[in-house]
Amino acid sequence: EVQLVQSGAEVKKPGESLKISCQGSGNSFSTYWIGWVRQMPGRGLEWIGIIYPRDSDTRYNPAFQGQVTISADKSTNSVYLQWSSLKASDTAIYYCARHGLGGGEYWYFDLWGRGTPVTVSS
Amino acid sequence: EIVLTQSPGTLSLSPGERAALSCRASQSVSSNYFAWYQQKPGQAPRLLIYGASTRATGIPDRFSGSGSGTDFTLTISRLEPEDFAVYYCQQYDISPRTFGQGTKVE
Repeated sequence: EVQLVQSGAEVKKPGESLKISCQGSGNSFSTYWIGWVRQMPGRGLEWIGIIYPRDSDTRYNPAFQGQVTISADKSTNSVYLQWSSLKASDTAIYYCARHGLGGGEYWYFDLWGRGTPVTVSS
Repeated sequence: EIVLTQSPGTLSLSPGERAALSCRASQSVSSNYFAWYQQKPGQAPRLLIYGASTRATGIPDRFSGSGSGTDFTLTISRLEPEDFAVYYCQQYDISPRTFGQGTKVE
């Protein structure tokens, strides 16, 4: 069964850096667009951006551009989301999710990871 | 950016009843690049509907999606106890892809 396995919960202080991960199974992982979605406490879903692991082509929501970096390592079937300087407002659950089969960059998410809770507090 | 407005915010119903959830887009979504997701407390979202009306794999036929352009609807024909959750719409036609704010079915 194909799964997206995300790294564990993180507790950080403002100003610290962080890199969370999402690892997929299966030989074709690098041929699917993989995205990140933010869910702040008690709030809805926000699309952060997507990456194509085969060539690391990346698209960002302008609201998140410059605030986070999405990267990939196709040799380990992994995608990453990182911050260089966290803020309290980055406190949220971050989900990785995969585009459905046959989809290009404009597509729905058909498989989701369980989420990585990130808490930023002094 | 396309803003998706879901209504109502909360839908109070009983098992066996029919639920109709609405999602209105601030501009037309072409090619029906429109999806619905279900999220239960403490869980990741789950894809229900894509292409505005196609059920995802394993989704029961009591879930149906309809609509085009700017108005889309998710209908649950007969609510089962496991259907009480929050539902989100999403457009994936225009960047940035956007989600609605959610409708809670309680």
